[in-house]
Amino acid sequence: AQSVTQLDSQVPVFEEAPVELRCNYSSSVSVYLFWYVQYPNQGLQLLLKYLSGSTLVKGINGFEAEFNKSQTSFHLRKPSVHISDTAEYFCAVSAPLQGAQKLVFGQGTRLTINP
Amino acid sequence: EAGVTQFPSHSVIEKGQTVTLRCDPISGHDNLYWYRRVMGKEIKFLLHFVKESKQDESGMPNNRFLAERTGGTYSTLKVQPAELEDSGVYFCASSQRWHEQYFGPGTRLTVT
Repeated sequence: AQSVTQLDSQVPVFEEAPVELRCNYSSSVSVYLFWYVQYPNQGLQLLLKYLSGSTLVKGINGFEAEFNKSQTSFHLRKPSVHISDTAEYFCAVSAPLQGAQKLVFGQGTRLTINP
Repeated sequence: EAGVTQFPSHSVIEKGQTVTLRCDPISGHDNLYWYRRVMGKEIKFLLHFVKESKQDESGMPNNRFLAERTGGTYSTLKVQPAELEDSGVYFCASSQRWHEQYFGPGTRLTVT
């Protein structure tokens, strides 16, 4: 079975500051990794994903994440945030080679951008 | 292209009543998933359809939940009878390729 831990439930930052949202996972098999974002009153939107290849993955809206297999981490980063980045962010894993396409989510991190 | 739509957006029912949630996937998406987020907890998988067949229903909490996908198009999730612990946000997602799941806005269910 897989599990995901998002280490911070809330992260407040100032506009134009850098941000890192932390995600650690646990799995006995190879996994694929995802970050989703939920803006207020909207559904979840895929930010980026790691399936294979380069461990540095670039996504939409200037976000990127780095897969670190030895540390079982997939932290999300943005060098300069904007007010519009205020949202809840979810890290998720999947183990499709086991025959399951379901996503296993972390608890979510609420990112608040202060002017 | 229309996204995943869910109806209703919010439902308030009393304990013991029945509620049916509907999900319309993106046209042409064979895969349809249901997830649920109970207040303060993580989003959890409920089940996965491939066309009209249940591929994985390992996340369904108990037999009070019944999901259907007639004709491989829209899906319904019925809760009968509803209990207080069923309150939460129910998300539907669809995909053509499994690793690109598109989520709907969710249905917020409140059981009083």
